[in-house]
Amino acid sequence: KQEVTQIPAALSVPEGENLVLNCSFTDSAIYNLQWFRQDPGKGLTSLLLIQSSQREQTSGRLNASLDKSSGRSTLYIAASQPGDSATYLCAVDGGANNLFFGTGTRLTVIP
Amino acid sequence: DAGVIQSPRHEVTEMGQEVTLRCKPISGHNSLFWYRQTMMRGLELLIYFNNNVPIDDSGMPEDRFSAKMPNASFSTLKIQPSEPRDSAVYFCASSPQTTGAGNTIYFGEGSWLTVV
Repeated sequence: KQEVTQIPAALSVPEGENLVLNCSFTDSAIYNLQWFRQDPGKGLTSLLLIQSSQREQTSGRLNASLDKSSGRSTLYIAASQPGDSATYLCAVDGGANNLFFGTGTRLTVIP
Repeated sequence: DAGVIQSPRHEVTEMGQEVTLRCKPISGHNSLFWYRQTMMRGLELLIYFNNNVPIDDSGMPEDRFSAKMPNASFSTLKIQPSEPRDSAVYFCASSPQTTGAGNTIYFGEGSWLTVV
């Protein structure tokens, strides 16, 4: 069974810093990988989706990379803002509509 | 579009009672998912439907859990009888087609269930 790990579990940074969140997975046979954001008491919002044939995706200050062979993905957030504070989850899609989620990294951006 | 709509948002019930959670997916989406989120286990897929048909219910924890999708705009997740260990946030999500094809999945805001 696919296992997805996110390190660190929590991260605090001062406003303006660039930061990297990490995601690793055990089975490289994936269709795609998605990064989600979850605010307290809310559902998940998809941020970026990287197809298995792609290496990275960018949206604004966010850049996600994928290295299938090593089972790793990173989410880079540039010039962090207090509004970026949330929990970030990665999810690996093994096909058949089954997403395997990591347990998330709780990010706090300090003004 | 209003997004995925779930009800109730919060429910507190006594052990042994029946709980019914409801979901309205985004119009036009063919895939519907029920997830459960706990601190201990994170997000787990319980069941998903494609074109109203249950495709994979292997994540349903036990026979006390059942899910239906009578039409394209409505689904229910039922727990009967409920137990304290069922306390969790239950998310419904929908997707235009299969997620493996690169379709984004959209989550509702969740139903927060507490069984006392």
